[in-house]
Amino acid sequence: GAVVSQHPSRVICKSGTSVKIECRSLDFQATTMFWYRQFPKQSLMLMATSNEGSKATYEQGVEKDKFLINHASLTLSTLTVTSAHPEDSSFYICSAHRGSNYGYTFGSGTRLTVV
Amino acid sequence: QQQVKQSPQSLIVQKGGISIINCAYENTAFDYFPWYQQFPGKGPALLIAIRPDVSEKKEGRFTISFNKSAKQFSLHIMDSQPGDSATYFCAASRSDTDKLIFGTGTRLQVFP
Repeated sequence: GAVVSQHPSRVICKSGTSVKIECRSLDFQATTMFWYRQFPKQSLMLMATSNEGSKATYEQGVEKDKFLINHASLTLSTLTVTSAHPEDSSFYICSAHRGSNYGYTFGSGTRLTVV
Repeated sequence: QQQVKQSPQSLIVQKGGISIINCAYENTAFDYFPWYQQFPGKGPALLIAIRPDVSEKKEGRFTISFNKSAKQFSLHIMDSQPGDSATYFCAASRSDTDKLIFGTGTRLQVFP
């Protein structure tokens, strides 16, 4: 079945530093990748949509300069949280989509803690 | 219009019972309605999904009922087991944008 690998699973960083999260589709090519953010006991909130080779589309209220998304290939998308602050601490989850007949496959998530 | 409303927020069911979670949407352009199960610290996993051309879909103990006119869909978990204890999310997407919008989630606890 379709597998999406997300790394790292946990990361602790100091305030002001940047953190990169990788999302790879292992056995399929994803036409679109999505990035979500989830606070404790809350739902997944869509942050941005990325298509290979083009700029990401950010949802309203998401700072594109803070959350840099790169979708360099059909199997890899990265989210970089720049100048991280404690309020950026959250669970970040990616999802890969390869067309309307195949649904969405989610990564296992990254727990980011900014201290 | 992009919202998907989900209820109840939490649900406690005895082992062997039926768990029912409901969702409602407003945007008639939505054409894909999945249900996801999420355990703490993990990403969501697809349980079952339906498209608006059918009113019901069953896979094992999981059934989706879909009411297009009422813009509602629900998940039924038959013979609920303690291992089903997790958070369940409904979601909806439209094929022209592919954005998957999640409901607010239901925390299910199944007691032996």
